[in-house]
Amino acid sequence: KQEVTQIPAALSVPEGENLVLNCSFTDSAIYNLQWFRQDPGKGLTSLLLIQSSQREQTSGRLNASLDKSSGRSTLYIAASQPGDSATYLCAVMDRGSTLGRLYFGRGTQLTVWP
Amino acid sequence: EPEVTQTPSHQVTQMGQEVILRCVPISNHLYFYWYRQILGQKVEFLVSFYNNEISEKSEIFDDQFSVERPDGSNFTLKIRSTKLEDSAMYFCASKQGFPTEYEQFFGPGTRLTVL
Repeated sequence: KQEVTQIPAALSVPEGENLVLNCSFTDSAIYNLQWFRQDPGKGLTSLLLIQSSQREQTSGRLNASLDKSSGRSTLYIAASQPGDSATYLCAVMDRGSTLGRLYFGRGTQLTVWP
Repeated sequence: EPEVTQTPSHQVTQMGQEVILRCVPISNHLYFYWYRQILGQKVEFLVSFYNNEISEKSEIFDDQFSVERPDGSNFTLKIRSTKLEDSAMYFCASKQGFPTEYEQFFGPGTRLTVL
């Protein structure tokens, strides 16, 4: 069964820092990996989707990389802002799924202070 | 921008009662999902639905659960006889096309509290 782990569990940084959030998964046979943002008591906002054939994806200040063979993905956040404070979730769709079931990590709770 | 909507935002019910959670997926999406998140835990998959059929379900999705797309726009999750451990945030999600190539879009969730 696919297991997704995210480290660190929590991160608190001053505004302006560049950040690295890590995600690892146990079964490298995946179709894709998706990064989400979750604000307290809210739904999940999709940030980036990386296909298994891709190495990275970029959206604004966010850059996600994927190393499928080692079962790792990294989310880089450049020049962090207080508005980036949220929980960041990583989810994989593995090849055992027929219709897109996602396996989630517990998330990294990010606090960016001014 | 199109979005997935869910109603109600919060539902409180007594143990043993039936609840129906409602979702309106993005209009041109074809694949639908329910997930749940117990407080402090991971988001967990419940069920996927395509072409008016369940495609995949997890071990959580037992006979107490059912899903339906009654009218081409709504997508519902029914819990027939709620238990205390069903208390969680329930998320609906939808996807536009071929499952491996598109991202899933999530609704804001329904917080279910079972007393």
